[in-house]
Amino acid sequence: EPEVTQTPSHQVTQMGQEVILRCVPISNHLYFYWYRQILGQKVEFLVSFYNNEISEKSEIFDDQFSVERPDGSNFTLKIRSTKLEDSAMYFCASSPPATPNNEQFFGPGTRLTVL
Amino acid sequence: LAKTTQPISMDSYEGQEVNITCSHNNIATNDYITWYQQFPSQGPRFIIQGYKTKVTNEVASLFIPADRKSSTLSLPRVSLSDTAVYYCLVGPTGANNLFFGTGTRLTVIP
Repeated sequence: EPEVTQTPSHQVTQMGQEVILRCVPISNHLYFYWYRQILGQKVEFLVSFYNNEISEKSEIFDDQFSVERPDGSNFTLKIRSTKLEDSAMYFCASSPPATPNNEQFFGPGTRLTVL
Repeated sequence: LAKTTQPISMDSYEGQEVNITCSHNNIATNDYITWYQQFPSQGPRFIIQGYKTKVTNEVASLFIPADRKSSTLSLPRVSLSDTAVYYCLVGPTGANNLFFGTGTRLTVIP
């Protein structure tokens, strides 16, 4: 069964450094998403991406964040200058075209630790 | 967006049926009810979605009364591997984003 994959599984970085989190969505999916979950808290929507542009973003997704689909398979989330409060699990998700329901397929996540 | 309210936690013995109820008093006409499951250190996983009455799949059943102000996720004969957080989400189908609440932490006891 096809799966969303994410790398790395765990990223440790110093405050102020840039990080890039990588995702490979399921191959025939056209909608891509990033969510984050701070330890012990709820899953929060960051951004959705379709047709090579952002379709929706939350208040969390400020100028420090950017997304890109650099080729036909990868979908990346960049945090330009990390802060301590960016420490969280970051989940990538994808969904197929014309989905009849709200089913998004989530990856296993990248745990980001900012020191 | 309709606000959802679920119990924070539930315990159940293995082999029992578990029913988790979600309240969504302000549900809109075009909103669907979707349930996700999240195991520790994993991403959420879609379980089931419905609009009204009853929906059943190989994993669970979803019961929605006529007024749609609440819904009940039913897990038949739970096992230890069903220990997870279960989220009730309400919104239009095909939505660009999903809004998760705090969910219900289900613990299955041997």
